[in-house]
Amino acid sequence: NAGVTQTPKFQVLKTGQSMTLQCAQDMNHEYMSWYRQDPGMGLRLIHYSVGAGITDQGEVPNGYNVSRSTTEDFPLRLLSAAPSQTSVYFCASSYAGRNSGANVLTFGAGSRLTVL
Amino acid sequence: AQKVTQAQTEISVVEKEDVTLDCVYETRDTTYYLFWYKQPPSGELVFLIRRNSFDEQNEISGRYSWNFQKSTSSFNFTITASQVVDSAVYFCALRDTSGTYKYIFGTGTRLKVLA
Repeated sequence: NAGVTQTPKFQVLKTGQSMTLQCAQDMNHEYMSWYRQDPGMGLRLIHYSVGAGITDQGEVPNGYNVSRSTTEDFPLRLLSAAPSQTSVYFCASSYAGRNSGANVLTFGAGSRLTVL
Repeated sequence: AQKVTQAQTEISVVEKEDVTLDCVYETRDTTYYLFWYKQPPSGELVFLIRRNSFDEQNEISGRYSWNFQKSTSSFNFTITASQVVDSAVYFCALRDTSGTYKYIFGTGTRLKVLA
């Protein structure tokens, strides 16, 4: 009963370094997404996916890449980290479907990233 | 475009007071879902309630109640007899059903309940 698992929980990077935040879910959810949380800004959608091989941009996609090769995994890549990407990142998943009643987002525990 | 507005950035109340958190949304969809999530100081995001656009019945769950009014595009959350454990950031969210299925969140309201 793992739900949504994010790794790592904490990470410190230097400007220009690259890294990947991992996200995995075991609920067979079609929809997966990444949010960043900054003080006063709420949860802002970075990228999302409605199934394997399908990804799309959210509100703040610049500087981030994603891929969805399997239903279970949705990694978020920072190609060249910048201090503006210092944030708490949340992965979340749910069932998709237009009128799906079972569409509550389940969140991971979050990953705190600091870029120096 | 979809938008969720939580105009109250921070609210402080004394324990046992009632408090209402406001949420106003914008969407062109006729079918949509609204949610409330709680983020306690520990940081996890906890689902509280889901409401679809065809169900305008108010809901009560213990000390929590929700008032959904399509006429004013609002989905407000009331905590009755607040407790210190209610201190958290509360997020309202809107789910798009026009094809993208993405969830848009408001900026959150930080509730502080003082003993």
